[in-house]
Amino acid sequence: SQTIHQWPATLVQPVGSPLSLECTVEGTSNPNLYWYRQAAGRGLQLLFYSVGIGQISSEVPQNLSASRPQDRQFILSSKKLLLSDSGFYLCAWSTRHGNSPLHFGNGTRLTVT
Amino acid sequence: KNQVEQSPQSLIILEGKNCTLQCNYTVSPFSNLRWYKQDTGRGPVSLTIMTFSENTKSNGRYTATLDADTKQSSLHITASQLSDSASYICVVSGLTGGGNKLTFGTGTQLKVEL
Repeated sequence: SQTIHQWPATLVQPVGSPLSLECTVEGTSNPNLYWYRQAAGRGLQLLFYSVGIGQISSEVPQNLSASRPQDRQFILSSKKLLLSDSGFYLCAWSTRHGNSPLHFGNGTRLTVT
Repeated sequence: KNQVEQSPQSLIILEGKNCTLQCNYTVSPFSNLRWYKQDTGRGPVSLTIMTFSENTKSNGRYTATLDADTKQSSLHITASQLSDSASYICVVSGLTGGGNKLTFGTGTQLKVEL
């Protein structure tokens, strides 16, 4: 069966520090991978998606970047965190089929102080 | 602009009771509609997915309906349990030149009490 791992579960970082959140998927090949941010009282916002190794699409301009060094690994990064980067970050995967549901990780609660 | 609106924003019901959550959308052209359940501090989990031709779909005590003409969907929960307490998110997929694009509702926060 397929599983998705996301870590860490919680993170407190000072403003200006770097960030690296990791996400790995097991049990599937060539998945589409996604990073979402969920703010309180708002719908999930797509940050990045990837259809293959090294292929990253950004949905919104921001202080974050993403990389996909391996087929089933997706990394969310920042060189210098801002207060506004605080939030709940969710990694997800889906198959290439248009009606495939998203399978989410358990998220990372990031607090920038 | 593609939008998904859910109501009510929050809901409290007694264990064993039924409830219905609503989702209205303006996403066009439409591809499919999904309902997710999100427990506090966890990632959302897919409950149902419906395409244009499907009017209803069940998953245990969860039954989703879709009226593509009025662009409305509902999620009915039967004989609620304490474990049903969660946020329920409606997600509509629209067709674009580059593939499907998802629009998320802000969710209905359901609390089931004794």
